[in-house]
Amino acid sequence: GESVGLHLPTLSVQEGDNSIINCAYSNSASDYFIWYKQESGKGPQFIIDIRSNMDKRQGQRVTVLLNKTVKHLSLQIAATQPGDSAVYFCAETSYTGANSKLTFGKGITLSVRP
Amino acid sequence: NAGVTQTPKFQVLKTGQSMTLQCAQDMNHEYMSWYRQDPGMGLRLIHYSVGAGITDQGEVPNGYNVSRSTTEDFPLRLLSAAPSQTSVYFCASSHRGGEQFFGPGTRLTVL
Repeated sequence: GESVGLHLPTLSVQEGDNSIINCAYSNSASDYFIWYKQESGKGPQFIIDIRSNMDKRQGQRVTVLLNKTVKHLSLQIAATQPGDSAVYFCAETSYTGANSKLTFGKGITLSVRP
Repeated sequence: NAGVTQTPKFQVLKTGQSMTLQCAQDMNHEYMSWYRQDPGMGLRLIHYSVGAGITDQGEVPNGYNVSRSTTEDFPLRLLSAAPSQTSVYFCASSHRGGEQFFGPGTRLTVL
């Protein structure tokens, strides 16, 4: 079946370095993608989203890149801080449909070394 | 605004017991959803609702019922709890086409 998946289960980075978290999706009908951050014991928190008519979107210290040709999504975090340590999930859905039907990837743990 | 609230935060059940997980939002969101999260896995959609009186099944609906009698509330019922339903349950809400806001979760253990 179709799924959203992440390439690596864990990522360890030095404080101050840039982090890149990758995600592959397989549902070609998906046109809306979201990155979530989940801290221990809490619910997922929205970070940034991107629609399929864009290939890049920037937020505060975060950038999401979308490559529809290879069905790949990435999250870049600039100047990674200890507070960025969390599990990160990519999710996809069809924007024109019920966005309640998010399909999540398995998650990747980002660990920031001081 | 309180956002999305869930009760209880923790629950232990015996196999065969029933219970209701509560979810409420005060943002007047049309969309509400229930997800479960198991160790090492992402969230999987159980049921969702696009408005009061309308519900539909997600990826893993078996063993769960929902109803949406008001915009604010979206309870999840476990009919006869099984150990396989041990998980963390998250409720979420959003406007159509908008960001999903998640509650803090309910940690359920079924013995």
